[in-house]
Amino acid sequence: KQEVTQIPAALSVPEGENLVLNCSFTDSAIYNLQWFRQDPGKGLTSLLLIQSSQREQTSGRLNASLDKSSGRSTLYIAASQPGDSATYLCAVNTGNQFYFGTGTSLTVIP
Amino acid sequence: GAGVSQSPRYKVAKRGQDVALRCDPISGHVSLFWYQQALGQGPEFLTYFQNEAQLDKSGLPSDRFFAERPEGSVSTLKIQRTQQEDSAVYLCASSFGLAGNYEQYFGPGTRLTVT
Repeated sequence: KQEVTQIPAALSVPEGENLVLNCSFTDSAIYNLQWFRQDPGKGLTSLLLIQSSQREQTSGRLNASLDKSSGRSTLYIAASQPGDSATYLCAVNTGNQFYFGTGTSLTVIP
Repeated sequence: GAGVSQSPRYKVAKRGQDVALRCDPISGHVSLFWYQQALGQGPEFLTYFQNEAQLDKSGLPSDRFFAERPEGSVSTLKIQRTQQEDSAVYLCASSFGLAGNYEQYFGPGTRLTVT
């Protein structure tokens, strides 16, 4: 069974800092990997989707990379803002099933 | 509608009661997924539909859990004889095409509390 791990579990940074969130997975046979954010009491909002053939995707201040062979993905957030405070989840897709990590809880301090 | 909607948003059930949770996916989305999210954990896959066909139900934790999508749009997740361990947030997601190829869009979830 695919195992997805996210490090760190929690992160607190001052506003304006650049930061990196990590996601690792045990089985490299994936179709794609998706990064989400989840605000307290809310559903998940899709941030970036990287297909298995891609190396990275960018959207605004966010950049996600994928190294399928080593089972790793990173989410880079540039110039962090208090509104970025949320839990960030990565999910790997192995076909019909998506496997999620337990998330990184990010707090950006004004 | 513009997004995935779920109802009810909150449900309190007494142990042993049956519950039904509804998901309205984005119009035209072929794929629909149900997940269970325990407090402090990531979502856990329950089941997957492609149109009206339930192609994968390997994540359903017991035979008390049943899901359907009879007309390929709205889906219902039913839990019979609820137990305390069923307390969780139940998330529904839909995507435009076949599983694995497209982004998933999530609803706000239904928080189920079994007392």
